[in-house]
Amino acid sequence: AQRVTQPEKLLSVFKGAPVELKCNYSYSGSPELFWYVQYSRQRLQLLLRHISRESIKGFTADLNKGETSFHLKKPFAQEEDSAMYYCALFGNEKLTFGTGTRLTIIP
Amino acid sequence: DAGVTQSPTHLIKTRGQQVTLRCSPKSGHDTVSWYQQALGQGPQFIFQYYEEEERQRGNFPDRFSGHQFPNYSSELNVNALLLGDSALYLCASSVGLAVNTGELFFGEGSRLTVL
Repeated sequence: AQRVTQPEKLLSVFKGAPVELKCNYSYSGSPELFWYVQYSRQRLQLLLRHISRESIKGFTADLNKGETSFHLKKPFAQEEDSAMYYCALFGNEKLTFGTGTRLTIIP
Repeated sequence: DAGVTQSPTHLIKTRGQQVTLRCSPKSGHDTVSWYQQALGQGPQFIFQYYEEEERQRGNFPDRFSGHQFPNYSSELNVNALLLGDSALYLCASSVGLAVNTGELFFGEGSRLTVL
């Protein structure tokens, strides 16, 4: 069975401070991992995928197979980063989401 | 392009009733996936439709069924509703079965309340 764990339901960070949203996974095969984001009154949307190794809106995420983690990071938080963030794993032909972390940026 | 559209946006049913939710995928998309999102939880995969057939299914009972039409739109049916079926039901569309790209486009959801 595959599982995605996001240990923090809520995270508050001051503007300009670094952000790290934690994600751990459990999967027997080679995982494909993603971060989805939902801004207030908007739809759930893809933020980034590990296979692309890209930086989106200043966010990056590195897949650490040894620690089975895929933490989302940003060096300097901005107010517009306040949102709900979901880590997701593709395996066994389906996408499994974590329970999400609500990130609040304090001005 | 309106993106993924779902109807109705809200509905209230009583236990034992049946409900049908509808989804139109984003233009150019031919695959529809359905998710259930209970309060405080992440979306849980129900099933996926491609070429009018159910291709993948999550851990949901047979009370949950679906259909995909030739125009790629889809319906989710839930029979014998239980209080625990109260949730936001999300539809997501994509191109082909390449869900591994993660490129899912989500609708705004249908919020079902079962009394």
